[in-house]
Amino acid sequence: SQQGEEDPQALSIQEGENATMNCSYKTSINNLQWYRQNSGRGLVHLILIRSNEREKHSGRLRVTLDTSKKSSSLLITASRAADTASYFCAPATRETSGSRLTFGEGTQLTVNP
Amino acid sequence: DAGVIQSPRHEVTEMGQEVTLRCKPISGHDYLFWYRQTMMRGLELLIYFNNNVPIDDSGMPEDRFSAKMPNASFSTLKIQPSEPRDSAVYFCASRMLAGGEQFFGPGTRLTVL
Repeated sequence: SQQGEEDPQALSIQEGENATMNCSYKTSINNLQWYRQNSGRGLVHLILIRSNEREKHSGRLRVTLDTSKKSSSLLITASRAADTASYFCAPATRETSGSRLTFGEGTQLTVNP
Repeated sequence: DAGVIQSPRHEVTEMGQEVTLRCKPISGHDYLFWYRQTMMRGLELLIYFNNNVPIDDSGMPEDRFSAKMPNASFSTLKIQPSEPRDSAVYFCASRMLAGGEQFFGPGTRLTVL
């Protein structure tokens, strides 16, 4: 199944620093979505980037997509302690019209105050 | 909107008992998803519905698991009989458009003793 693989598995930074997480996938996509999960909570959608887009911004978030390399990155600028969470990418494939999302194991981000 | 509503939030039961988890999707959403999350296996898609019809149940682990969606505002996931290895957090999510963002509920933490 199409599954995004996040890298690194864990990332620890100081408040104010930038955090970059990467995602790789295997097949053609309609779009790629990033989600955040705080401990003990459900996932929260952060941003969706379509296959014909290369970069997208939302507040302190910046997502890039390189379909030739089948990879995406999520950059969080000026991180805060509240950004501590697990981050997942979810490629939405063409075959299923994006109906089915498969999540990887995520990147555990810790932002130290 | 209240978001996706799940009940109960916590369930503790003994092996062999029947467990029923409930979900109310966001009004107007055509897709409903059931996921299971464990430390060992991460976040797994169990089944999803489109317009109350099950589309893909290939993630349902075995015949002990069943899911129904009798109407657009309600779905159940039933485990009968339950086993300790079913202990996990079960999430329900809904979505309006194919390929769009999914909205997750808070989850049901199931413990089978």
